[in-house]
Amino acid sequence: DAGVTQSPTHLIKTRGQQVTLRCSPISGHKSVSWYQQVLGQGPQFIFQYYEKEERGRGNFPDRFSARQFPNYSSELNVNALLLGDSALYLCASSLVPAFDLGAFFGQGTRLTVV
Amino acid sequence: DQQVKQNSPSLSVQEGRISILNCDYTNSMFDYFLWYKKYPAEGPTFLISISSIKDKNEDGRFTVFLNKSAKHLSLHIVPSQPGDSAVYFCAATSGGGTASKLTFGTGTRLQVTL
Repeated sequence: DAGVTQSPTHLIKTRGQQVTLRCSPISGHKSVSWYQQVLGQGPQFIFQYYEKEERGRGNFPDRFSARQFPNYSSELNVNALLLGDSALYLCASSLVPAFDLGAFFGQGTRLTVV
Repeated sequence: DQQVKQNSPSLSVQEGRISILNCDYTNSMFDYFLWYKKYPAEGPTFLISISSIKDKNEDGRFTVFLNKSAKHLSLHIVPSQPGDSAVYFCAATSGGGTASKLTFGTGTRLQVTL
């Protein structure tokens, strides 16, 4: 079975640009969460989606948005990129929006803003 | 405000010995805790979890201890192996693991030497 897949694995953007990151959850998983990991820090929660609805939002500006599609894949969009948005963006999938049954992370997308 | 703290950024242990990684938390609402291991260029991998109704959970070489009164948990790895060298993240959530987000610590880099 394929694990959580994220694309692209790396990308470089210029300040002010917009970026879209993609995540395909494990087959059968209906919940997707997004995390941002800045160098030297632990992952920070951005969003959680379940059954195409937002279930939670972290302390991130409105420049960050996400959605989940009928096939449970998800996109994270970031507008008006800032240098501080440079980070590893992680997607996690789970059967339901809970962690007691396990949550599995993808390898991440490394975003560099120059 | 760092609600989950891993005060040791790094730890070096000889192969075959015990590795002890520590984690402290401040939020009394946290009642479910997880440990993740992360290799470079990979997403975090789930290791072991513990609910606040328990004070110990064991899985093979990994044991997690929870001291609720001290708001402290630790991960013991016995015996340590070179393949255990990675960054270890402690994470916490609420609702018995059903809340929408994980709050991570900043990680401890474990190096297991020969």
